[in-house]
Amino acid sequence: GAVVSQHPSRVICKSGTSVKIECRSLDFQATTMFWYRQFPKQSLMLMATSNEGSKATYEQGVEKDKFLINHASLTLSTLTVTSAHPEDSSFYICSATDAEDNEQFFGPGTRLTVL
Amino acid sequence: EDQVTQSPEALRLQEGESSSLNCSYTVSGLRGLFWYRQDPGKGPEFLFTLYSAGEEKEKERLKATLTKKESFLHITAPKPEDSATYLCAVQAWGGSEKLVFGKGTKLTVNP
Repeated sequence: GAVVSQHPSRVICKSGTSVKIECRSLDFQATTMFWYRQFPKQSLMLMATSNEGSKATYEQGVEKDKFLINHASLTLSTLTVTSAHPEDSSFYICSATDAEDNEQFFGPGTRLTVL
Repeated sequence: EDQVTQSPEALRLQEGESSSLNCSYTVSGLRGLFWYRQDPGKGPEFLFTLYSAGEEKEKERLKATLTKKESFLHITAPKPEDSATYLCAVQAWGGSEKLVFGKGTKLTVNP
């Protein structure tokens, strides 16, 4: 199957700082990427849909000014958590759709801890 | 609103003891139903996509089936390495490719 990478895998930051997470599709082009958040023992909650070259579409209740998404190319999307607070601590996972066969592949996730 | 309900929440099996996981769904128009496996601290690993009622797909000890209201993930003669959380998700027609996930079934296979 196709490979999606995320960087970093783990980040610890102080409250008030901004953190950028990268998501890359390594062996296919992804016109659409998705960002999810997962709290312990809960399922994945979609935060936003990222389309290459256009603005992201955010799910209800997700602050677009706090979670900045940029999809600069067909293989790269970034999520920036601005002015992070302890309640933003979570597991952030991206996914990308291989348009040829409608299969959606996930990255390994990024564990964010805000102190 | 599209919804996915998975049962049971947790399942413990002995090695070799076959069983099934259930995924019930309501969706405006089903484009695809997805099964993933997730290990602790990792992203979901793609298993199957099913598109129409009656469709079946197999991979090693796993077999996924689909009806108009639910999907089953059958696990035949499971091994301890099959222990994981299995996630079901639906994708609806309508322009967006987003997935709506169930809460998952945590499977533990004891040796």
